[in-house]
Amino acid sequence: SQTIHQWPATLVQPVGSPLSLECTVEGTSNPNLYWYRQAAGRGLQLLFYSVGIGQISSEVPQNLSASRPQDRQFILSSKKLLLSDSGFYLCAWESQKGGPGELFFGEGSRLTVL
Amino acid sequence: GEDVEQSLFLSVREGDSSVINCTYTDSSSTYLYWYKQEPGAGLQLLTYIFSNMDMKQDQRLTVLLNKKDKHLSLRIADTQTGDSAIYFCAERDNAGKSTFGDGTTLTVKP
Repeated sequence: SQTIHQWPATLVQPVGSPLSLECTVEGTSNPNLYWYRQAAGRGLQLLFYSVGIGQISSEVPQNLSASRPQDRQFILSSKKLLLSDSGFYLCAWESQKGGPGELFFGEGSRLTVL
Repeated sequence: GEDVEQSLFLSVREGDSSVINCTYTDSSSTYLYWYKQEPGAGLQLLTYIFSNMDMKQDQRLTVLLNKKDKHLSLRIADTQTGDSAIYFCAERDNAGKSTFGDGTTLTVKP
């Protein structure tokens, strides 16, 4: 069966510090991968998606970046965090093999920037 | 861009039915989804409906789709305290991009 792991689960970082959130998927190959941010009391904002190794599409301009060094690994990074980067970050995968296209989400990483 | 709207809060008594409503703007939607998010966790797919269907039933869940009005609803029969969560409506366009609503927080009172 397929699983998705995200870490760390919680993170408290000072303004201006770097960030690295990791996401790995097991039990499937060549998934589409997504990073979403969920601000408090709000819905999901799509940040990045990837259809393959090294292929990253950015949905919103920001000081975050994403990389996909391996087929089932997706990393969200920042060189210098801002207060506004605080939020709940969710990684998700989707099969490229057709079907209803549902997203499978990780458990999330809660980032607090102080 | 495309938009998905849903009311932010719903409160019901245990044993009653809950109806969560959603409207969307994308006329090219292929699939529409309902996801559930428990506190501090990721989202889990509850159910989905293909855009050429108008109803889907899955145990206590009934999804109704009015494509003409771009209105989607989720009915939960015999709502239990374990159903308390945030419910997200989402639609997928024909390019494969999913757009989510802001979520409806369902509170079930005993």
